[in-house]
Amino acid sequence: DADVTQTPRNRITKTGKRIMLECSQTKGHDRMYWYRQDPGLGLQLIYYSFDVKDINKGEISDGYSVSRQAQAKFSLSLESAIPNQTALYFCATSEFGGNEQFFGPGTRLTVL
Amino acid sequence: GQNIDQPTEMTATEGAIVQINCTYQTSGFNGLFWYQQHAGEAPTFLSYNVLDGLEEKGRFSSFLSRSKGYSYLLLKELQMKDSASYLCAVIKRNYGQNFVFGPGTRLSVLP
Repeated sequence: DADVTQTPRNRITKTGKRIMLECSQTKGHDRMYWYRQDPGLGLQLIYYSFDVKDINKGEISDGYSVSRQAQAKFSLSLESAIPNQTALYFCATSEFGGNEQFFGPGTRLTVL
Repeated sequence: GQNIDQPTEMTATEGAIVQINCTYQTSGFNGLFWYQQHAGEAPTFLSYNVLDGLEEKGRFSSFLSRSKGYSYLLLKELQMKDSASYLCAVIKRNYGQNFVFGPGTRLSVLP
């Protein structure tokens, strides 16, 4: 089945460490997104990419960077992790011209 | 600006009907989605409204009034498995067709 996968699923790290979260999709979608979710705050958009050469900041991009290595891969980096980046992170995809977004299973990140 | 409001929590009884409201104030409105999210899992698509009116899909219906900035999700014949968070998300035309999510409503279905 065409799918959206994320690695790792869980990660515990220390303040100041560099962390990379990976997202891959077999849906053939052009558009990819990274969100974070905190209790009571819903999903907030970090970065999005409409194709391999396109990267855009979302609502809360400070402290994060992304790389779109290929149509199917979109990674999120925390250059120097801090405790308030502890959250559940979701990757999502959508078709060009489509509206529905398809979400990966999420990565639970804890920064100590 | 953009502001999306939903009740934080709701409780209902198995077999009953529950209505979850979503109000929004946003420019460039281009549609509204409802997603279901079980604890610790990915959101999954429930419904999409772009025009005013009611969209029905089995036990779930969604209503939109663009003039009032209002939507609701109606769940009928509640089952225990419907216990989850329900996320309202608005598509903004002038935000790259991206979603702005509400805070979500956590629904608990009791026996």
